[in-house]
Amino acid sequence: DAKTTQPTSMDCAEGRAANLPCNHSTISGNEYVYWYRQIHSQGPQYIIHGLKNNETNEMASLIITEDRKSSTLILPHATLRDTAVYYCIVRLGGNNDMRFGAGTRLTVKP
Amino acid sequence: ETGVTQTPRHLVMGMTNKKSLKCEQHLGHNAMYWYKQSAKKPLELMFVYNFKEQTENNSVPSRFSPECPNSSHLFLHLHTLQPEDSALYLCASSQRGGAAYEQYFGPGTRLTVT
Repeated sequence: DAKTTQPTSMDCAEGRAANLPCNHSTISGNEYVYWYRQIHSQGPQYIIHGLKNNETNEMASLIITEDRKSSTLILPHATLRDTAVYYCIVRLGGNNDMRFGAGTRLTVKP
Repeated sequence: ETGVTQTPRHLVMGMTNKKSLKCEQHLGHNAMYWYKQSAKKPLELMFVYNFKEQTENNSVPSRFSPECPNSSHLFLHLHTLQPEDSALYLCASSQRGGAAYEQYFGPGTRLTVT
């Protein structure tokens, strides 16, 4: 699976949009981009995933660049409860293996 | 609630003890996983079960022994652990077979080996 690069940490003001970037320049055509988050000492929580097109659900939006070498997770109106470590993972379809990196520690501030 | 439960939530055990961690999923999934998360380290995949068959063992020491009696239950049997095995142990499940599928995680068992 392709390697991903994320900033170590980010801050965001409460109520503002949080934009979390991820670089995956070696992604192949059949690899999906997944986002998970982990709130302190809890199990990771699935957020969203995509292949080529932008995706939106009740939690977030995923913007994938046309060349698919990077993506951005958008939390439209961040709240204090969105403070967590956010993981960007690239994985082959049908591959069981989910490789977590260090992720981005997002801190939402009042 | 993700539909994946783990018991116990906290466990303290001595190095000579034998204990088991239990995971149960109520999602109708057919794949289950054990992960380990040590302090300040990324999650490490330990074992993968597809349709009750172990399909992956990421060089995990034999003092960790998984068991998957059916597609809804997963155990991790522990014996003669070391203090460095203290970590958060996470169970996850997914529906294998589609092109893309997400994993759902339980809350984890916080294990301390004394």
